[in-house]
Amino acid sequence: NAGVTQTPKFQVLKTGQSMTLQCAQDMNHNSMYWYRQDPGMGLRLIYYSASEGTTDKGEVPNGYNVSRLNKREFSLRLESAAPSQTSVYFCASSEAGTASYNEQFFGPGTRLTVL
Amino acid sequence: DQQVKQNSPSLSVQEGRISILNCDYTNSMFDYFLWYKKYPAEGPTFLISISSIKDKNEDGRFTVFLNKSAKHLSLHIVPSQPGDSAVYFCAASEVDSNYQLIWGAGTKLIIKP
Repeated sequence: NAGVTQTPKFQVLKTGQSMTLQCAQDMNHNSMYWYRQDPGMGLRLIYYSASEGTTDKGEVPNGYNVSRLNKREFSLRLESAAPSQTSVYFCASSEAGTASYNEQFFGPGTRLTVL
Repeated sequence: DQQVKQNSPSLSVQEGRISILNCDYTNSMFDYFLWYKKYPAEGPTFLISISSIKDKNEDGRFTVFLNKSAKHLSLHIVPSQPGDSAVYFCAASEVDSNYQLIWGAGTKLIIKP
């Protein structure tokens, strides 16, 4: 099992460019998440998908959109990148959709720089 | 306002000794707490968790203690090994939080040989 995979690993964009970060999991998990991690801060939730066909905003959704393409795949789109979106992006998935069981499995991350 | 705080950005411990990582929280509605470990260029991996109905949970060398009255939890690693060198994140969630975890900023643990 590959677990959670993310592409690309690194990306450099110019301000105003768009891009999509891809995420896939092979653990048959219902829930999937997108986080960003900035220096000196914990992970902050951008969007999540509790189950196939649903998406909801997290703590920092502005400037992002998501698509839960199927049970396996959850993509994150930046329509018009800004330097403030320079960060490391992590995708995660979890088996159960309840707050009391929230062991999330993470991908290796995408390091994004916006110039 | 940070709801989950890890006040020590880094901690250095001798191999074989006990490592104690601390985490404080402000939201009394948190009912589940987790510790994750992160190596460079990798995503975080789940380490151990504790429900608010317990005050201790143990898994091998790792023990998490929860003091609800103080809104404080700690992770003990005994004995510390070189492979434990990593960044440790504390995270918390509350009932009806829609699956959201609130994360601390992390503590970098360095195990000295």
